[in-house]
Amino acid sequence: QSALTQPASVSGSPGQSITISCTGTSSDVGSYNLVSWFQQHPGKAPKLMIYEVTKRPSGVSNRFSGSKSGNTASLTISGLQAEDEADYYCCSYAGSSTYVFGTGTKVTVL
Amino acid sequence: QVQLQESGPGLVRPSQTLSLTCSVSGGSISRGDNYWSWIRQPPGKGLEWIGYIYYSGSTYYNPSLKSRITISADTSKNQFSLNLSSVTAADTAVYYCARATWGSGGYYFDYWGQGTLVTVSS
Repeated sequence: QSALTQPASVSGSPGQSITISCTGTSSDVGSYNLVSWFQQHPGKAPKLMIYEVTKRPSGVSNRFSGSKSGNTASLTISGLQAEDEADYYCCSYAGSSTYVFGTGTKVTVL
Repeated sequence: QVQLQESGPGLVRPSQTLSLTCSVSGGSISRGDNYWSWIRQPPGKGLEWIGYIYYSGSTYYNPSLKSRITISADTSKNQFSLNLSSVTAADTAVYYCARATWGSGGYYFDYWGQGTLVTVSS
C-alpha cells in the first residue's frame, strides 16, 4: 500500500485556477469513486474539502471541485485566494477496508 | 456539531507502548453509519491512515502497522483508543482521531480532532 503521488508544490496568482493531481493505481483511485481531498493550514487539523471524487461538504466554497480519470484524481481551485494557501492531501479507499493518503501538495498564492 | 479530542502522553520511551484516547462529544460513537479512526502525521511529512473501529468492535488496520496496533472503543464513555506497541523514533508524529462517515459506497473522514504530538525519545 504505497502513498498516492501528488506534486510537491503548485502555485498561482490570485484569481487564477490551479489543479492538483493525485495519482494512484488500479487498486485504489482507479477502482473506487472514493477519493477525498483535505486542506491543511500550518499547525491545524486537515479539513475535508471534497469527498467521493466530486462532492463538496456543506460550507465548502464552490471554487473547489474534484474529478477523476483512470488512476488519477484532481482537485481544481478556481478564483485562487490568499486563504487557499495551504497543504492539500488526497485520500482514496484502497480495498479491504483500508485507506491511503497522498504525499501532499503545498499550494502557494503568488 | 461533533467534536473530537485526543489525549495521552506527549513523550513515550522507545520500545514502549503509545496509548492515546479520543473523546467524542456532540454525537454518539454508537451511531451506525460511522467508523472511528486514527491518522498520524510525522513532523513535516504527510498523513498516514492507521486504522478504525466500529462501535461493535470491528476493526481494520493499516497493513504496514497491523502487527503493532490495537484500537478499542468504550461506548459507555463515548471514547475510543489507540495502542501502538514497540515504538521507535519513526513513530514520532501528530496523532489525529477522526470520524469516518458512510456515504455512497464508502467512508470519508469528515470530522477531525486537533491532533496531539507524541514524541518517541529516551
